Amino acid sequence: KQEVTQIPAALSVPEGENLVLNCSFTDSAIYNLQWFRQDPGKGLTSLLLIQSSQREQTSGRLNASLDKSSGRSTLYIAASQPGDSATYLCAVGLGYSTLTFGKGTMLLVSP
Amino acid sequence: GAVVSQHPSWVICKSGTSVKIECRSLDFQATTMFWYRQFPKQSLMLMATSNEGSKATYEQGVEKDKFLINHASLTLSTLTVTSAHPEDSSFYICSAPHTRTGGTDTQYFGPGTRLTVL
Repeated sequence: KQEVTQIPAALSVPEGENLVLNCSFTDSAIYNLQWFRQDPGKGLTSLLLIQSSQREQTSGRLNASLDKSSGRSTLYIAASQPGDSATYLCAVGLGYSTLTFGKGTMLLVSP
Repeated sequence: GAVVSQHPSWVICKSGTSVKIECRSLDFQATTMFWYRQFPKQSLMLMATSNEGSKATYEQGVEKDKFLINHASLTLSTLTVTSAHPEDSSFYICSAPHTRTGGTDTQYFGPGTRLTVL
């Protein structure tokens, strides 16, 4: 059974810092990996999607990498802003649209 | 972009009553939709896969008679929590896959429904 772990569970940084969120998964036979953002009491917003054949994806200040063989992914956020404060979820795709989620990393960026 | 809506966004009900939650894909068709449940500070757990025109597929440990799913059309799936109890209080989120131009299959999530059972 696929298990997804996210470290750290919570992170508090001052504005402007670069930061890295970590995600690990137990079964490397994945279809894709996605990073989502969830604001309190809200749904999910897809940030980056990495296909199993890809190594990384970039969108603005966000960069996500994937090392399938070691079962790891990282989300790099450059020059963090207070508006980045949210919970970041990593989800592994195991087949057509089936996702297994980690518990998330709660990020707080202070002004 | 693709949009998925849910209704209601929050609901409070008495123990023993039934509650229906709607999930709609607004600008695309979805033959499959997914229902997740999220407890506080926990990850999203897949409850069931809703299939248009056929029975839903439930994950292990999810009672199909308690969580009734109906996928009546290509844009609407409903989740009915029957005889709700306080332990059913949770955040319910639906999603629908949509293939973007170029072939990337992406999940679009609804805004969620907060259910509180008194």
